[in-house]
Formats: sequence, structure tokens, C-alpha cells
Amino acid sequence: QKEVEQNSGPLSVPEGAIASLNCTYSDRGSQSFFWYRQYSGKSPELIMFIYSNGDKEDGRFTAQLNKASQYVSLLIRDSQPSDSATYLCAVNVQAGTALIFGKGTTLSVSS
Amino acid sequence: GAVVSQHPSWVICKSGTSVKIECRSLDFQATTMFWYRQFPKQSLMLMATSNEGSKATYEQGVEKDKFLINHASLTLSTLTVTSAHPEDSSFYICSAAVGGYEQYFGPGTRLTVT
Repeated sequence: QKEVEQNSGPLSVPEGAIASLNCTYSDRGSQSFFWYRQYSGKSPELIMFIYSNGDKEDGRFTAQLNKASQYVSLLIRDSQPSDSATYLCAVNVQAGTALIFGKGTTLSVSS
Repeated sequence: GAVVSQHPSWVICKSGTSVKIECRSLDFQATTMFWYRQFPKQSLMLMATSNEGSKATYEQGVEKDKFLINHASLTLSTLTVTSAHPEDSSFYICSAAVGGYEQYFGPGTRLTVT
């Protein structure tokens, strides 16, 4: 059974702080890794994807991948109240197949 | 990023009727589309994988005769909920694969069956 694990939270951080979201996956054959943000009542929005070990930065977001540890994380710098949402980690084993999602981590940024 | 649309965004129907939901990739061709269902405060649940020109692959426990999926072109997939019942009320979301790995979601369709 391929699994993606996330801490459900809620993770609470003050405005301006760094939010760190973590995810582990069970299938070593996983090829690609995604972070989606989902606001309540809305569909998921793709924030970042990463394929190779290391860091990938895009604005305030940094995705980190460690395939040896089967671990992927998302850092949000200078967190804003508008970042408050559920963050879904997803992995893909093979192109064209469905993503395997974690249950999501709820982030709350207080002003 | 790639844009995926869904229509309608919300629909209310009477029990026993059928409802069709359309999913379109607007600026790319999607050989594969996926249909999900999400109940309040729960995770996304994959219902089926839809490939253009072939029959959809349904996840275990999803009734293929109740949830009819047609992927008629590289930009359009439809989900028809047949003989809908109140327990089918949910948030239905499609996604489309770009280049094999990246998947973009449509805005979702909220179905309420009365």
C-alpha cells in the first residue's frame, strides 16, 4: 500500500514567521512530489513540485526533497494570514497515474 | 500554470435524476484526467482515471454504472451521476495531467441532491 503521511495539525504560526510542513512517503519508486494548497470549500491549487533531491525555491516557498529519507517538506517564509489553508502533499510513482495524497496539514497564521 | 475548468460550479437536483459535470483543459491537451470526490472536512478520494478514447478505470468501491465517465477528446472529460441520491451530495473535482506528472485541478462542482 503506497502511503503519504502528514501531520494533520493544526500548525499555528504568527504572521511573519516561517511555517514548516512535513511529509513522508512509503514508495521508494516515487518520481515526483507536489505541494497543493486548499482553502476551505475550494479545490486544491498547485504551489510547488520537485523532482530532484535538494531545495527548490519559488518566492516565499521552498520545497525540500530527501529521497534517501523519503521525506519532502515545504517551508513558507514570511507567513501571511492568507496562507492559512490546508496543505496537501502528493507523490507520483509513474507518469499518467493518479497522485497519492496525504490527508493534509492545516496551517493557521495569526496576525 | 495550466487551466482546468469545470461546469457547472454548483448544481441542485432531485433524487433519482442524473447530473452531468464537464471538465475541460483550456490551454493544453490532457491525455489523462482524474475525478475526485471530497466530503466536508475529509480528504480527496480518487474515483476514477479517465484516458482519452478509452474506458475509465474506477477505484475499488466506486460504481461504474452509477458514475459514468466519458473522455471524448483531449480537452474534455465528463462525469455523469446517474439516479442521484442524497448520499451522492459532495464536492466533485477533476484534475488533468500535464506532461505526465504535473496535475492541475478544476475549481470543483458542488452537487446537492434533495
